Amino acid sequence: EVQMVESGGGLVQPGGSLRLSCVVSGFPFGSYWMSWVRQVPGEGLQWLADINQDSKTKYYVDSVKGRFTISRDNAKNSLFLEMNSLRAEDSALYYCAKDGQYFDHWGRGTLVTVSS
Amino acid sequence: DIVLTQSPGTLSLSPGERATLSCRVNQKFDSKYFSWYQQKPGQAPRLLIYGASSRATGIPDRFTGSGSGTDFTLTISRLEPEDFAVYYCQQYGSSSWTFGQGTRVEIK
Repeated sequence: EVQMVESGGGLVQPGGSLRLSCVVSGFPFGSYWMSWVRQVPGEGLQWLADINQDSKTKYYVDSVKGRFTISRDNAKNSLFLEMNSLRAEDSALYYCAKDGQYFDHWGRGTLVTVSS
Repeated sequence: DIVLTQSPGTLSLSPGERATLSCRVNQKFDSKYFSWYQQKPGQAPRLLIYGASSRATGIPDRFTGSGSGTDFTLTISRLEPEDFAVYYCQQYGSSSWTFGQGTRVEIK
């Protein structure tokens, strides 16, 4: 059974930083691209970033380029999202997802709230 | 930028009725990267359709994806109570993924 568990969310002040983690089991993590997607409660889905199997290729949506960094540790079956210079509009539920030609597995998300 | 426009925004139907959801993309792309997802309140999205027309594992055959080029459709042949949810389309192009804004299928 595939399990993907995000953690690291919480309340942070504008301008602050957070590091999200996603621990994966149930599939060969190191063989797949992985993505982060976020969703403001009650709103739609926004893809943020993805990373290839050996971490040599990373892509980001324009709104987070230069502020967010995606990374992974294949030995620990873990995906990360380092978020800096956080803004109120970054408040959302953050999901990790198994990437490929589609997103067939998702975690349950971790909530990030940016507020003073 | 690639934009996916879903219509209608909300679809009000009764159980047993047919639902037809549309997703239009503002430029052509490889449809093998086109997918549909279902999301229920408090849950993560669930993959329904990939490659525009292939059902994901465990998805009932009342869900059908079709289309190519820039126009895609998700059809639910006979709505079951558990099908009332929000549906998103998604595509990949120019090294990024884009989602549509969603169609809510609600009970009439």
